[in-house]
Formats: sequence, structure tokens, C-alpha cells
Amino acid sequence: AQSVTQLDSHVSVSEGTPVLLRCNYSSSYSPSLFWYVQHPNKGLQLLLKYTSAATLVKGINGFEAEFKKSETSFHLTKPSAHMSDAAEYFCVVSSGNTPLVFGKGTRLSVIA
Amino acid sequence: NAGVTQTPKFQVLKTGQSMTLQCAQDMNHEYMSWYRQDPGMGLRLIHYSVGAGITDQGEVPNGYNVSRSTTEDFPLRLLSAAPSQTSVYFCASSYFKWDRGLEQYFGPGTRLTVT
Repeated sequence: AQSVTQLDSHVSVSEGTPVLLRCNYSSSYSPSLFWYVQHPNKGLQLLLKYTSAATLVKGINGFEAEFKKSETSFHLTKPSAHMSDAAEYFCVVSSGNTPLVFGKGTRLSVIA
Repeated sequence: NAGVTQTPKFQVLKTGQSMTLQCAQDMNHEYMSWYRQDPGMGLRLIHYSVGAGITDQGEVPNGYNVSRSTTEDFPLRLLSAAPSQTSVYFCASSYFKWDRGLEQYFGPGTRLTVT
């Protein structure tokens, strides 16, 4: 069985400051891990994906995430938040060809 | 390629009515799935299919039926709509490669309201 826990339901940062969205996962096998973003009333957009290659994964819009097997974590970071980053972020796990399992989401607010 | 298409975009139903949410993909993917999104719950898997003629239940299958007669189409049926089925529904299609994992493509979503 697989599961994902997003440790914060809401994160608020000031524009220009770093972003950290935390995610822990559970998987019986080698996982694939994803971060998706959803802007208000929009669809889902893939930010980045880990599939057992480099543990530091770079995504779009300056986001990156580090896979830490010993901590079962896949936290999402960005050095400097922009107003356009305000959205809902989902951490997602899959193993092999099993369907994706989503976390409950973290809402990121960016304050001017 | 149109990718994954869903119709309708919006729908309002009365309790007890039935309807079918349509999903189609033109990428020849074997895997297709349906999710529902509710505030604070993320996306939860309703049903999925690993190929034509093969379907299986996800986390929240009650009240929904699916079938997969072709590779391209994966309709979701609500037989007797209930207010608890008010949600945004996403269809996805995907393929699996051992070196890249699951590559998943989402449709734009259908916003359903049951009154």
C-alpha cells in the first residue's frame, strides 16, 4: 500500500522569501514521486517527478525537490517565492504501474 | 493530439438523476483512471482501467460505474446522483516505462453539482 502525507495544509510566505512544502511518503516498493500544482479553477500541472535517477529533481518555474529515502521525504522548495506561485500543491506517489495516490494538498499563499 | 478530453465541463443534476461523464484520449495509452477532487481531500481514485475490457475499483468507487470497451474511451456513470457526489472529476490516461515510471496526463475536469 502507498500513502502520502503533506505535513502542512496551508503555508504562507512573503514574496521573495524561500518556499518549503513538506511531503512524507509510504511505499512498499521503489516509488515514483511527483509534485503537481493547481491554480484556482484550473487543471493539474506537473511540476517535477522523481523516478530513481538523481535524488535532487529540478522542475519548472524554479522549483526543486529532494528524494530522501532514509527520511521517506520528498519536500518541495523554491529559493524565492513569486506572487504567481500562489496555488494548491499536491505530492503524489506511485509504484510501478499502480495508479497515482495523492496527498491532501498544501495551499501556498504569497504575501506582497 | 487532443490529449485527454472530458465532457461536459459543467453539469448540474438533481438528486436521483443519472448521467455519464465522458473521457477520451488519443494517445493510445493503456491506462486510464477517474479521480474526484474535494476541498481538503486531494484527488481520490474512483475507478481505473489497465486496458480495454479491464477495470478495477479505486478508493471511492461507490455510486459510480465504468466500462472500457475501447482503448480511447473511459466513461464514468452515475446511476442515481446524490449531493455527496458534488465534486470536480478528473480523467487521466497514462503509460508506464520502467526507466520513467508512470507518465500521466490529466483532462481539464468536469465540475458536477448535485442538488
